[in-house]
Amino acid sequence: AQRVTQPEKLLSVFKGAPVELKCNYSYSGSPELFWYVQYSRQRLQLLLRHISRESIKGFTADLNKGETSFHLKKPFAQEEDSAMYYCALSGLNDMRFGAGTRLTVKP
Amino acid sequence: GAGVSQSPRYKVAKRGQDVALRCDPISGHVSLFWYQQALGQGPEFLTYFQNEAQLDKSGLPSDRFFAERPEGSVSTLKIQRTQQEDSAVYLCASSLDQTGRGAYEQYFGPGTRLTVT
Repeated sequence: AQRVTQPEKLLSVFKGAPVELKCNYSYSGSPELFWYVQYSRQRLQLLLRHISRESIKGFTADLNKGETSFHLKKPFAQEEDSAMYYCALSGLNDMRFGAGTRLTVKP
Repeated sequence: GAGVSQSPRYKVAKRGQDVALRCDPISGHVSLFWYQQALGQGPEFLTYFQNEAQLDKSGLPSDRFFAERPEGSVSTLKIQRTQQEDSAVYLCASSLDQTGRGAYEQYFGPGTRLTVT
């Protein structure tokens, strides 16, 4: 079965500290994985996707098929990174989201 | 440019009432998804359209839920005989993707918050 797990509901770090938001998945085929972000009072929006291997706002995520993980990382967190982050997995005709991690970056 | 819009933004329904939620996708977007997001949870997939064809409705929780996109543009999610457990935010997203595999970004609407009393 297709499933996305984000083990941390809440994550709090200080500004300038590294941050890692965990995501594990289960999928029988070749996965297509994404990170979506929702800032306060804004819509859900795409942050990055593994197929493009890009870095957005300093965030990167590497697909590790052996560990079935797609953790999101940033070396130096900023206060504006405070938001809700969702890991998502695309199936044949659907998209499955994790429960989300609320990141708070303290000054 | 105009993004995905949804109406109404808020809906309060008495238990047993029928409701209809509307989604206007970005013009030209082939793919359209509906999601249900309960409080404190991530979006849960409900159904997927490619143009007017409903290719996946495996996420619809019961036969009280029905979605349509008759002309391949605007979509309506209908919930019959609403129950309290239907209270959630209903999100619509559209995409240029022609495969449903998520190769293209999904653009989300603001959601409709449904409260069943």
